[in-house]
Amino acid sequence: QSALTQPASVSGSPGQSITISCTGTSSDVGSYNLVSWYQQHPGKAPKVMIYEGSQRPSGVSNRFSGSKSGNTASLTISGLQAEDEADYYCCSFAGSSNFVVFGGGTKLTVL
Amino acid sequence: EVQLVQSGAEVKKPGESLKISCKGSGYIFTSYWIGWVRQMPGKGLEWMGIIYPGDSDIRYSPSFQGQVTISADKSISTVYLHWSSLKASDTAMYYCARLRGSGGSLLQEMRYWGQGTLVTVSS
Repeated sequence: QSALTQPASVSGSPGQSITISCTGTSSDVGSYNLVSWYQQHPGKAPKVMIYEGSQRPSGVSNRFSGSKSGNTASLTISGLQAEDEADYYCCSFAGSSNFVVFGGGTKLTVL
Repeated sequence: EVQLVQSGAEVKKPGESLKISCKGSGYIFTSYWIGWVRQMPGKGLEWMGIIYPGDSDIRYSPSFQGQVTISADKSISTVYLHWSSLKASDTAMYYCARLRGSGGSLLQEMRYWGQGTLVTVSS
């Protein structure tokens, strides 16, 4: 069982928006504005899409956005495109004992 | 350009030892944390631990403490992940990843990733 809870799968049609939730606790997501989101295509290394909750690295589409409320972080992808189909993982700093925890991952299907 | 290049796939037997590597280039190797992430077949990402090559400060996930050893050789800009006695359950893809910024802060995302090393442990 992963430290952070994500839905196993989400789906949407091209052009639509989807949101992936990531629920933690007051010891990780709730305590730090340090949630990051990673995209992983099959057979590839993960790629960071969002860091520090809502920041986008250079080169990442502005269709990707992040937010947080309490112990739950969210990743929203607007204007879905076929190439967005991938697995998405949230990740949070979790203090000086556990350091870093991942969510179990969400498979995004673009219909 | 920042690059992390990992060693090639390994096939080992249970009980054998193994050390895989991750060579950094394109930046000051000693100034950035590099971590290891496990991905078992068909499963999610798991953070294993991290090292700061500048002073070999190492932090382990409680789940991996005592199961693996992380080390670094500054002279060749390489970080290692070592098992003294492999188990079949160690079969996985292992990624190294560097944090975004320099200095001692762990409070950053994993910005740069290696290509992964597949470790297969089977009798």
